[in-house]
Amino acid sequence: NAGVTQTPKFRVLKTGQSMTLLCAQDMNHEYMYWYRQDPGMGLRLIHYSVGEGTTAKGEVPDGYNVSRLKKQNFLLGLESAAPSQTSVYFCASIKRTASSTDTQYFGPGTRLTVL
Amino acid sequence: AQSVTQLDSHVSVSEGTPVLLRCNYSSSYSPSLFWYVQHPNKGLQLLLKYTSAATLVKGINGFEAEFKKSETSFHLTKPSAHMSDAAEYFCVVTRRGNTGFQKLVFGTGTRLLVSP
Repeated sequence: NAGVTQTPKFRVLKTGQSMTLLCAQDMNHEYMYWYRQDPGMGLRLIHYSVGEGTTAKGEVPDGYNVSRLKKQNFLLGLESAAPSQTSVYFCASIKRTASSTDTQYFGPGTRLTVL
Repeated sequence: AQSVTQLDSHVSVSEGTPVLLRCNYSSSYSPSLFWYVQHPNKGLQLLLKYTSAATLVKGINGFEAEFKKSETSFHLTKPSAHMSDAAEYFCVVTRRGNTGFQKLVFGTGTRLLVSP
């Protein structure tokens, strides 16, 4: 049971390049999330998905797209990277229950630098 | 709307002395509260969570937090700091919508520095 995994761990892009970050979970969780973490700002929600084939915008969605073609995978895409997207990106997942106290499980993060 | 305020961006302690990381919350609903820890270049790990079953919550690695509704606080404490406690700590408030979607609202983090 690997939990939540993210690839790649590190990436350096030039402005205007594109890339896709992959998140995979093996816990059969329905909900998946993408966050970005910037110094002094905590984690902010980019996009999320409540199930296969569905996605929705979070707090800071501009410049990102997502897809959830399979229940276990959640992809985050940058079509034209900008220096403002330099950040650490975290994926998380959680099962679908009615309890507010269930725990989101986080991946190890992807450190992205855009030059 | 829900929010959390972590009152200190940095806290410095000596090894063996008590740790106090402060968190105040704002919530229109009965809140669910968490503390997460992030060690350098690592992901986030759950330390503890408030489930309304008890106001004093015990977590991993000797940490605990007390929910005080009258003060809207959920401060994290540990009696004796260890060098391995040096990390960033996040206070988080959450709610679950009718669809089951859980939204986490993170504080800005407190960096704990532990000196020998």
